[in-house]
Amino acid sequence: EPEVTQTPSHQVTQMGQEVILRCVPISNHLYFYWYRQILGQKVEFLVSFYNNEISEKSEIFDDQFSVERPDGSNFTLKIRSTKLEDSAMYFCASSAGTSNAQPQHFGDGTRLSIL
Amino acid sequence: GENVEQHPSTLSVQEGDSAVIKCTYSDSASNYFPWYKQELGKRPQLIIDIRSNVGEKKDQRIAVTLNKTAKHFSLHITETQPEDSAVYFCAAGTYKYIFGTGTRLKVLA
Repeated sequence: EPEVTQTPSHQVTQMGQEVILRCVPISNHLYFYWYRQILGQKVEFLVSFYNNEISEKSEIFDDQFSVERPDGSNFTLKIRSTKLEDSAMYFCASSAGTSNAQPQHFGDGTRLSIL
Repeated sequence: GENVEQHPSTLSVQEGDSAVIKCTYSDSASNYFPWYKQELGKRPQLIIDIRSNVGEKKDQRIAVTLNKTAKHFSLHITETQPEDSAVYFCAAGTYKYIFGTGTRLKVLA
């Protein structure tokens, strides 16, 4: 069964540094998402991406965050100047089709630790 | 703002008993309601979903009900097994999901 893959599995970064989290969505999917989960808390929506542009973003997704689809397979999340509170598990997800009621399939996540 | 409330936060049941988790959502535009199971340190895995034009859906030991008028939906697990122990999240949405706060289910052998 096809899967969403994310790299790296764990990223440790100094506060203030830039970090890029990478995702390869399922190949025939059209919608891409980033979520984050602070340890022990719920999963929070960050951003959705469709047709090479952001379709929706949350309040968490401020100017420090950006997303990009640099080629036909990768989908990246960049945090420009990391803060301690950015420490969390970041999940990429993708879904198929043009209907808005589609299951989202999650990757294994990247655990981001800011020191 | 958009919100999904989930109860209970923890639930312990004896093996073989049923477990029920309830969610309430605020955004009337939500038309899709998935349930995810998350084991410690792993990805959320979709276990069942329901769309707004359906009131109930069942898949073996798992069922979900939706009351769109009341903005309530529930997960029912029957004949629980120790491997059902995990955190369960409900979600509501369209292009994005708003997740509930999770229910830690513990099935006691």
